[in-house]
Amino acid sequence: TQLLEQSPQFLSIQEGENLTVYCNSSSVFSSLQWYRQEPGEGPVLLVTVVTGGEVKKLKRLTFQFGDARKDSSLHITAAQPGDTGLYLCAGTDSWGKLQFGAGTQVVVTP
Amino acid sequence: EAQVTQNPRYLITVTGKKLTVTCSQNMNHEYMSWYRQDPGLGLRQIYYSMNVEVTDKGDVPEGYKVSRKEKRNFPLILESPSPNQTSLYFCASSFWTGGTGELFFGEGSRLTVL
Repeated sequence: TQLLEQSPQFLSIQEGENLTVYCNSSSVFSSLQWYRQEPGEGPVLLVTVVTGGEVKKLKRLTFQFGDARKDSSLHITAAQPGDTGLYLCAGTDSWGKLQFGAGTQVVVTP
Repeated sequence: EAQVTQNPRYLITVTGKKLTVTCSQNMNHEYMSWYRQDPGLGLRQIYYSMNVEVTDKGDVPEGYKVSRKEKRNFPLILESPSPNQTSLYFCASSFWTGGTGELFFGEGSRLTVL
């Protein structure tokens, strides 16, 4: 059973479109991280959010942590082919343990 | 260059033949961990280590062993591999800040057990 549910599992869009990926849980997390994984490589950290309601922006990527610290979203504006990858959310519980979601595969076609 | 290095990157073996996947990091991280990644299941933790000589089971430890004799190395041992251990394995490390900080991952080791 996945503690963190990511949706959708797969997303295919055209270059220039916007997309949102969701990460939901019934548990409260002390912090939440988003990683991106490209084929043949390990995941790479994009952002860490720690405060309920926090919004962080990284160029065209906007990350939000839910007020109750149980959910998060990643929004990409004007997606580019370089945004293609597997997006993973990971939450740290009160014991310091990190749990990963199953990931959302994003494909951006030119 | 700061990195986590895993070897081998690809391995095909047969049931029951012991194998070791090595992992080394050059960032002086206290925390190291092994994950397996399977389609639809995401990253599942096998074992982790908070420091030298301190290891603990993750969520899916059955069939695996680890050791942490030096800070930089954290090998994963499959004493008697079985086909259900066919997977993509990742080693990761981080500073321990009371919770897991940024995890730095290796490039992965794809293991096939026939």
